[in-house]
Amino acid sequence: KNQVEQSPQSLIILEGKNCTLQCNYTVSPFSNLRWYKQDTGRGPVSLTIMTFSENTKSNGRYTATLDADTKQSSLHITASQLSDSASYICVVTARTGGFKTIFGAGTRLFVKA
Amino acid sequence: NAGVTQTPKFQVLKTGQSMTLQCAQDMNHEYMSWYRQDPGMGLRLIHYSVGAGITDQGEVPNGYNVSRSTTEDFPLRLLSAAPSQTSVYFCASRGNSNQPQHFGDGTRLSIL
Repeated sequence: KNQVEQSPQSLIILEGKNCTLQCNYTVSPFSNLRWYKQDTGRGPVSLTIMTFSENTKSNGRYTATLDADTKQSSLHITASQLSDSASYICVVTARTGGFKTIFGAGTRLFVKA
Repeated sequence: NAGVTQTPKFQVLKTGQSMTLQCAQDMNHEYMSWYRQDPGMGLRLIHYSVGAGITDQGEVPNGYNVSRSTTEDFPLRLLSAAPSQTSVYFCASRGNSNQPQHFGDGTRLSIL
């Protein structure tokens, strides 16, 4: 069964600190993996995308990594800011007859001053 | 730069009522989709469309209808609202399969 599991469910960090969010998936055959940021009351916004051959992708203070062999991805946030408080959603697309997209439940990040 | 626009932002219905959630995009995207987001769960696909005149069911289509008469608009209809349909509904669009989906800001729907 195609699944995407994210951990932790929620996380509290102090402003300026780094953090890493995890995503494990069992989606097959793999097409790509995206990380989205969802602010409270808003729709998700794409941060990064990685295909099978890519193992790291950066977007400012956000760096995503992908290990296609172990089917794991992580999102590292450097020097956190209050505006990083949001849910971070891991999304994996399978290359089936069409394309099937599976969303993780997200990690809720709280950055405190 | 509107992107994906959803209306209304909030709605309360009584069980058995029907309503239409509106979604419009101005990016000339062929692919549009509707998701529901429930606490502790990932977004689940309700219906999607790969172009005007073409729609298909997603993971949780029961109780919902869609139509796609134009590229820009993709309304979602609840036929007879049930409390289990209380959720936040997101509409999204994208260009080709390598592009990210662009989401609206959601419609928060409560069924009493």
